[in-house]
Amino acid sequence: EVQLVQSGAEVHKPGESLKISCKGSAYNFTEYWIGWVRQMPGKGLECMGIIYPADSDIRYSPSFEGQVTISADKSINIVYLQWSSLKASDTAIYYCARLGVRGVISHFDSWGQGTLVTVSS
Amino acid sequence: DIVMTQSPDSLAVSLGERATINCRSSQSLLSRSNNKRFLAWYQQKPGQSPKLLISWASTRESGVPDRFSGSGSGTDFTLTISSLQAEDVAVYFCQQYYYTPTFGQGTRVEIK
Repeated sequence: EVQLVQSGAEVHKPGESLKISCKGSAYNFTEYWIGWVRQMPGKGLECMGIIYPADSDIRYSPSFEGQVTISADKSINIVYLQWSSLKASDTAIYYCARLGVRGVISHFDSWGQGTLVTVSS
Repeated sequence: DIVMTQSPDSLAVSLGERATINCRSSQSLLSRSNNKRFLAWYQQKPGQSPKLLISWASTRESGVPDRFSGSGSGTDFTLTISSLQAEDVAVYFCQQYYYTPTFGQGTRVEIK
């Protein structure tokens, strides 16, 4: 069974940096795009961007370009999402999710459990 | 970005009755090269990760009850729950994947 396991909840102050992770297992990690999806408290889903681990091809959604960095380490089957300077408005649950058709951008067929990031002074 | 707009934002339906959720995209999601519709539907229950219900506009995922169905083409799509059950109370999202994915704002389904 495909699994995406995310790193644990984080609490940080504004201005701090942060990197969260998502580890895939039980499938060929390099052959499927993975995306990061933000869900702010009580709000909907927003795709921040997607990455193809085989060659680190990245597509950012316009709202998130320059705000976060997505990366991958295919040697250990992990995708990352990082911030250089957090803001209170980054408080949200962040999901990683696999795009379910090999090699192409498609629907999200498997989801991580979510990582709650809280930014507060 | 392709903008996805759902309607209504919320609806209350009696148990056993039909629930219909609409989703409109700002441009066509139909691929002329393979005639596929790049549209998915998800269900999210409180405190849970989203769950894929339907892909390619009308293909139900394995294990999804057949009371859930998807239809539509071009820019207008519909998710129908034919006979609402208590366990269907959730927020439903549409999503396009014609380009970098974007979601609709969600529709909350409750019991009347």
